[in-house]
Amino acid sequence: KQEVTQIPAALSVPEGENLVLNCSFTDSAIYNLQWFRQDPGKGLTSLLLIQSSQREQTSGRLNASLDKSSGRSTLYIAASQPGDSATYLCAVPETSGSRLTFGEGTQLTVNP
Amino acid sequence: EAQVTQNPRYLITVTGKKLTVTCSQNMNHEYMSWYRQDPGLGLRQIYYSMNVEVTDKGDVPEGYKVSRKEKRNFPLILESPSPNQTSLYFCASSLLGRAQGNTGELFFGEGSRLTVL
Repeated sequence: KQEVTQIPAALSVPEGENLVLNCSFTDSAIYNLQWFRQDPGKGLTSLLLIQSSQREQTSGRLNASLDKSSGRSTLYIAASQPGDSATYLCAVPETSGSRLTFGEGTQLTVNP
Repeated sequence: EAQVTQNPRYLITVTGKKLTVTCSQNMNHEYMSWYRQDPGLGLRQIYYSMNVEVTDKGDVPEGYKVSRKEKRNFPLILESPSPNQTSLYFCASSLLGRAQGNTGELFFGEGSRLTVL
């Protein structure tokens, strides 16, 4: 059974810092990995989807990398802003079906 | 506008009173899924559907039913709700890749907060 772990559980940084969020998974036979953002009481918004054949995906100040062999993905946020404050989750589908497993998320606070 | 719509957004009910949470998407997605989110437990998948008339259990299906009679709709049914089903529920949808398990970018609804007394 796939297990997804996100470290750290919470992170507080001053505005302008570059930061890295980590996601690790136990079964490396995945088709893709997706990063989401969730604001309090709201639904999840897709940030980046990395296919297993890709090593990186970029969108604006966000860059996600994927290393299947080591079971890891990182989300890099450049020049963080208070508006980036949210919970960030990663998710992977199982290849045996389409059950998705989510990490518990990293709660990010960017202080002005 | 591409979206996933859930209703109701908020609901308070009593134990045993059947309820249905509707989910509709306008993106012609094959894949649809229901999740519940609880503090300390994260997001857990309840049921998912790969296409019309094709549904399967997720990690926590007990106490829930689903149906997929049309591509755009995937209702979640609680036949006899209990207090332990008090939670925040999300519906999501995506396109499917050629290979089973290759879900595309997942789009979420805004969530339905359910309280069972």
